[in-house]
Amino acid sequence: KQEVTQIPAALSVPEGENLVLNCSFTDSAIYNLQWFRQDPGKGLTSLLLIQSSQREQTSGRLNASLDKSSGRSTLYIAASQPGDSATYLCADTGGFKTIFGAGTRLFVKA
Amino acid sequence: DTEVTQTPKHLVMGMTNKKSLKCEQHMGHRAMYWYKQKAKKPPELMFVYSYEKLSINESVPSRFSPECPNSSLLNLHLHALQPEDSALYLCASRVRAVIAQGLEAFFGQGTRLTVV
Repeated sequence: KQEVTQIPAALSVPEGENLVLNCSFTDSAIYNLQWFRQDPGKGLTSLLLIQSSQREQTSGRLNASLDKSSGRSTLYIAASQPGDSATYLCADTGGFKTIFGAGTRLFVKA
Repeated sequence: DTEVTQTPKHLVMGMTNKKSLKCEQHMGHRAMYWYKQKAKKPPELMFVYSYEKLSINESVPSRFSPECPNSSLLNLHLHALQPEDSALYLCASRVRAVIAQGLEAFFGQGTRLTVV
């Protein structure tokens, strides 16, 4: 049974810093690893989807990687901005059910 | 159009009321989902519809009644809810409800439900 874990639970960084959010999963037979952003009280915005045949995906200042053998995915955010403050969720979206991590709450200080 | 639209955005209802949440997508997706999310927790799956048929019910109380009248529309009918049912209700869609690569999940902005 897939389990997804995100560390740290919360992170506070000064503006301009490059940062990495971590996601680990127990079942390496993963088909998709998707990263989402959620603002308080809002829905989930899809940031990046990495298929199992891929190693990484990039969108603007975001880069996500997937290492199935180690059961890890990372989301790299370059030159962080206060507008990046949100909760970031990773999820296994390749099965019948989506399995979410608990999320990392990011606060970028101006 | 990669949008999942949920209405209403906010809903306050009494414990004896009957109300409905609505979700719509026009991406041709044949898998639609309802999730419940409490504060500072990840979304919890409630129901999965595949080709307009209920395929997964995560042992949700009968006071929540889903309906998928066509391939674009998903409803969640609410009746006799409890205050602990107050939460953000999220709808999502995917091309298919199968195990496969590349099936990106799209979420709506949610309905903030308060039961008084």
